[in-house]
Amino acid sequence: QKEVEQNSGPLSVPEGAIASLNCTYSDRGSQSFFWYRQYSGKSPELIMFIYSNGDKEDGRFTAQLNKASQYVSLLIRDSQPSDSATYLCAVSKAAGNKLTFGGGTRVLVKP
Amino acid sequence: GAVVSQHPSWVICKSGTSVKIECRSLDFQATTMFWYRQFPKQSLMLMATSNEGSKATYEQGVEKDKFLINHASLTLSTLTVTSAHPEDSSFYICSASQHLGQGAVEQYFGPGTRLTVT
Repeated sequence: QKEVEQNSGPLSVPEGAIASLNCTYSDRGSQSFFWYRQYSGKSPELIMFIYSNGDKEDGRFTAQLNKASQYVSLLIRDSQPSDSATYLCAVSKAAGNKLTFGGGTRVLVKP
Repeated sequence: GAVVSQHPSWVICKSGTSVKIECRSLDFQATTMFWYRQFPKQSLMLMATSNEGSKATYEQGVEKDKFLINHASLTLSTLTVTSAHPEDSSFYICSASQHLGQGAVEQYFGPGTRLTVT
């Protein structure tokens, strides 16, 4: 079993719709959870991080964490073509500790 | 936001030669830097964790004698790929940790270095 699992996609969504991305992790000791966006040929850029159970909203993005189910998700509202990228879920056992990445979900937003 | 640079952004070298990649935190001091490798259509794989002034901690399966890491200052870490072979061709990305206060720590990624070994 991989430590961090994501559906590879592609997840195709029409412009303006909500994109829903899921991530599960195996280590119950994980404390910090991150969502990164990576465009082809570029390095990842941080979208959001979440440490506590529940929802965290930042603009069009909402991260949801459920530690009991070992599940973290990302919602992208009002999806735009510029949101087309690979989204990487990453977890760490403590703040500042090494990150373990999932395989990423490719998102395609169609105009 | 904090900025991390890498140099060079791309490099082509011949098999058997060594290549050095630099990672710099430009506007903050990073006690910890991380080196990742990413093959096409795959996710980032952590190679090693580098702490300033001490030996790097390598992940299982990463040859420490082949991938030399030096973290001599709080703003600079280097990765040297020794005796490079075509299978070392990859996208190498570094990240640097910054403490934001109240226990919060964020990792900032460099733009990556694309290495091609011919």
